[in-house]
Amino acid sequence: EAQVTQNPRYLITVTGKKLTVTCSQNMNHEYMSWYRQDPGLGLRQIYYSMNVEVTDKGDVPEGYKVSRKEKRNFPLILESPSPNQTSLYFCASSSSLGQGASGYTFGSGTRLTVV
Amino acid sequence: AQTVTQSQPEMSVQEAETVTLSCTYDTSESNYYLFWYKQPPSRQMILVIRQEAYKQQNATENRFSVNFQKAAKSFSLKISDSQLGDTAMYFCAFIPGGSQGNLIFGKGTKLSVKP
Repeated sequence: EAQVTQNPRYLITVTGKKLTVTCSQNMNHEYMSWYRQDPGLGLRQIYYSMNVEVTDKGDVPEGYKVSRKEKRNFPLILESPSPNQTSLYFCASSSSLGQGASGYTFGSGTRLTVV
Repeated sequence: AQTVTQSQPEMSVQEAETVTLSCTYDTSESNYYLFWYKQPPSRQMILVIRQEAYKQQNATENRFSVNFQKAAKSFSLKISDSQLGDTAMYFCAFIPGGSQGNLIFGKGTKLSVKP
């Protein structure tokens, strides 16, 4: 089954403790992206990657890191999480760069709480 | 800046009736794609319908259809014969044709279908 897999689905952590949210897709998509969703703000892009070793900042990159060492994986790293990073996070992938021909396929989301 | 505006934070409709969700967007691009995504309580992001800007014909997917007015930069979603399972957040999204794949979202409309 074609899918984007995120782990974990839920995570509670403490301020300052480094964490990684994993994302993997099995569709051989070139494009991958991370979004955060907050009430009243919709989804905002954190980082994206057009291919292996090619990443760039989205609209809200502060406090986050990403890497793209393999085509299928695109982990999101929070080096020193803070309470304002409490949010719902989505990973997404797409096969059509800049064309929108197929839309995005989204993971199931990760609910992160930083206390 | 390219933006997507959903002016209705919440809406409700009776089961079996028709409801229209509004979306406007702002862009100077001539080629782009528009999407409606559904997010039920399970929080999964589900693609409902997509529209290519250079196609004048409005997209239709079963009970879901759009009214695409390019000159007015309007992209509304009509849901016919509303069902309880249509209860969800609905996000309008836009991707410029020449972009690096950044899907820009509106803030969402929470739709409740009442029995």
